[in-house]
Amino acid sequence: AQSVTQLDSHVSVSEGTPVLLRCNYSSSYSPSLFWYVQHPNKGLQLLLKYTSAATLVKGINGFEAEFKKSETSFHLTKPSAHMSDAAEYFCVVSLPFGNEKLTFGTGTRLTIIP
Amino acid sequence: GAGVSQTPSNKVTEKGKYVELRCDPISGHTALYWYRQSLGQGPEFLIYFQGTGAADDSGLPNDRFFAVRPEGSVSTLKIQRTERGDSAVYLCASSLTTGDGDEQYFGPGTRLTVT
Repeated sequence: AQSVTQLDSHVSVSEGTPVLLRCNYSSSYSPSLFWYVQHPNKGLQLLLKYTSAATLVKGINGFEAEFKKSETSFHLTKPSAHMSDAAEYFCVVSLPFGNEKLTFGTGTRLTIIP
Repeated sequence: GAGVSQTPSNKVTEKGKYVELRCDPISGHTALYWYRQSLGQGPEFLIYFQGTGAADDSGLPNDRFFAVRPEGSVSTLKIQRTERGDSAVYLCASSLTTGDGDEQYFGPGTRLTVT
């Protein structure tokens, strides 16, 4: 079985400061890991994905995440927050042999303070 | 091109009624997925199709839920004898294949409210 734990349900940062959204995973196999973003009244959008290539993954809109097997973590970061980053973020895990059956975390709501 | 579309966007129904939720995937995508997102939670997997067949329906909560994809494109999620606990946003996604790393593209969802 696989699962993800998002350690913060809500994160607030000031515009222009760094963003850190934390995620730990549990998987019997070397997993595929994703971050998705959900803006209000919009569909889920893929930010980035890790599929056993480089451990530092760069995504859209300046986000990146680092896969750390020793810590079973896949934290999402961004050097400088923008107002448009305010949204719900989901850490997601799937088995490595196909991306069916995504398992989502409970989400982290990111608020940007002007 | 067009993304994944879902209809209706909102559905209000009375307890005990039957509902159908429709998903139009991206043209050419062979894999189609249904998820359910309850308030304050992440989406939970329900079922996925590879072509016309349900490859994994292990997430369907009980036999009141059923989904079809008869021609390998449009899919319908059917819920019989709806209960208040079925109230949620039902999300559909599609991907080109189920190959490793293939992105799932999500629709905007259908918000189902059972009164």
